[in-house]
Amino acid sequence: QKEVEQDPGPLSVPEGAIVSLNCTYSNSAFQYFMWYRQYSRKGPELLMYTYSSGNKEDGRFTAQVDKSSKYISLFIRDSQPSDSATYLCAMSALSSGTYKYIFGTGTRLKVLA
Amino acid sequence: DSGVTQTPKHLITATGQRVTLRCSPRSGDLSVYWYQQSLDQGLQFLIQYYNGEERAKGNILERFSAQQFPDLHSELNLSSLELGDSALYFCASSVGNDQPQHFGDGTRLSIL
Repeated sequence: QKEVEQDPGPLSVPEGAIVSLNCTYSNSAFQYFMWYRQYSRKGPELLMYTYSSGNKEDGRFTAQVDKSSKYISLFIRDSQPSDSATYLCAMSALSSGTYKYIFGTGTRLKVLA
Repeated sequence: DSGVTQTPKHLITATGQRVTLRCSPRSGDLSVYWYQQSLDQGLQFLIQYYNGEERAKGNILERFSAQQFPDLHSELNLSSLELGDSALYFCASSVGNDQPQHFGDGTRLSIL
């Protein structure tokens, strides 16, 4: 079983829809949670960063962390065609004095005009 | 623009060869991370350096090595290359261990 599970999609939605992207994880030691957006042939771009359970909002994006269920989500409101990309969840934990960094495999999102 | 610079953008070489990938972190960032991204494996953490010292190691092969120089730029050396090493190699940087990482646009390595 992978430490982080993410549905690869693809997920197709109409413009203006609310998008929900999710990841589950198995290691309760994960402390920091991130969402990245990656366009084709580009590096991942940081969207959200959080280290506690609850919600964090930034513009059209809301990140939600539920440590008790080991579940994180990214919501995109009023989705735009420019949001079409692959979305990666990522998390990190301090383990035996060093950090480990794990990324999900990414969900491909397509927003249709 | 993330501020992280990677060179070269593309590299084509043959099996058995050795290559060096270079990364310049964002101004002020002391940590540098290297990742490999392939279609079937996703983004895999390889290694992290903080201010010149190795801080964390992931799934890095013994044929691969890295270092961070006093000016904080980093190099990833890949040797005895195999067809399976063909992938995108990303560098990221951050201020510290528990701070968000910012990625460069990667080096696409193709092994023929």
